[in-house]
Amino acid sequence: NAGVTQTPKFRILKIGQSMTLQCAQDMNHNYMYWYRQDPGMGLKLIYYSVGAGITDKGEVPNGYNVSRSTTEDFPLRLELAAPSQTSVYFCASSYSPLDGEKLFFGSGTQLSVL
Amino acid sequence: GQNIDQPTEMTATEGAIVQINCTYQTSGFNGLFWYQQHAGEAPTFLSYNVLDGLEEKGRFSSFLSRSKGYSYLLLKELQMKDSASYLCAPRTDSWGKLQFGAGTQVVVTP
Repeated sequence: NAGVTQTPKFRILKIGQSMTLQCAQDMNHNYMYWYRQDPGMGLKLIYYSVGAGITDKGEVPNGYNVSRSTTEDFPLRLELAAPSQTSVYFCASSYSPLDGEKLFFGSGTQLSVL
Repeated sequence: GQNIDQPTEMTATEGAIVQINCTYQTSGFNGLFWYQQHAGEAPTFLSYNVLDGLEEKGRFSSFLSRSKGYSYLLLKELQMKDSASYLCAPRTDSWGKLQFGAGTQVVVTP
């Protein structure tokens, strides 16, 4: 079982460039999340989804977009990269956090915007 | 958004006990997660509390008081490998949104 797969693991972007962080899970989880983590800080929720076709903003959505066309995939799009988006990005999924089901995390994507 | 408070850092010696407190807004509360995160790694699940009281899992225990908006994670018989950040995540949204506290960095010294 692959679990939650994030690609790429590392990326360097120039200011103003765009990119998509990929996230896929093979556990048939309805709930998926994108978090960012700045050095020495906690996780900040960017966007989340409770099922295919349904997404909502988290704490820090500005500068990002998401889509959820399938249950398996939840890509995160950065349109105009800025240095403030330098961070580690984690994707996570859960069967149902409403029932106490834990989140499964991907291994993270380290993004630097220079 | 959710206001989640945890101490920034705690230091303890090997074999000791450390208690990490977490306070949160009680409105809409439906349960609380604790996660452990080692440097450079993804968080891993430790515990979930939805009812008042203490849940024990080996060396780690988690306590919840719903009326007080308070939880703690108790780490006993500390080992060097317990040096990590501990994240509190109260669930206060019936739609699945889950936010984390800033984390408490625990440093275990010999």
